Amino acid sequence: QVQLHESGPGLVKPSETLSLTCSVSGGSVTGYYWSWVRQPPGKGLEWIGYIYYSGVTNYNPSLKGRVTISVDTSKNQFSLKLRSVSAADTAVYYCARGVTYCSTTSCFFEVWGQGSLVTVSS
Amino acid sequence: DIVMTQSPDSLAVSLGERATISCKSNQSVLYSSNNQNYLGWYQQKPGQPPKLLIYWASTRKSGVPDRFSGSGSGTDFALTISSLQAEDVALYYCQQYYTTPWTFGQGTKVEIK
Repeated sequence: QVQLHESGPGLVKPSETLSLTCSVSGGSVTGYYWSWVRQPPGKGLEWIGYIYYSGVTNYNPSLKGRVTISVDTSKNQFSLKLRSVSAADTAVYYCARGVTYCSTTSCFFEVWGQGSLVTVSS
Repeated sequence: DIVMTQSPDSLAVSLGERATISCKSNQSVLYSSNNQNYLGWYQQKPGQPPKLLIYWASTRKSGVPDRFSGSGSGTDFALTISSLQAEDVALYYCQQYYTTPWTFGQGTKVEIK
């Protein structure tokens, strides 16, 4: 079955850019909506944004334009960039796949990666 | 944004007893054209990602034990565990997917009494 694996630096300095990649195995990125969700230590879940395999994106306005999500169908992976990070961005970052019948405004998540802890600190 | 509020924040239930978690949204997540509630429930155990349990407010995902059930419509929803088992100790989150940004409740911690 499909598996997701997040990778990237575990430590990022304040004001720099957080970069993570989600590698998809056992399935294709084609045909699905792919999201990033984060969870600060001891806190709840926040949806960051999604990308459709065609490249269509939608981001959470709470992140004030700091986010870019991209997809590389040839590598079967998608990526997150979060600019100008601060300590408030310290979290476990999950990549997740939406169900087959997602739409541009409606989606929930049936497959999740194990998560990647990113700490923002100098 | 649609704000999702869960209650209680935590609850302790004896093994074999019923556990009920409430989730309320500040606007309806019922889509009138298809009469579906755009509401899901997830379970998260320590050190693990969330796991989808329920979608469309009351549809159990394949493989989820039937002691888990979802109910409600519009703005008021509930997740019920009919007979709590030790392996059900976890955090539970509701999520609305009626409109972006998709939002989650703050979580409810279920423990054994």
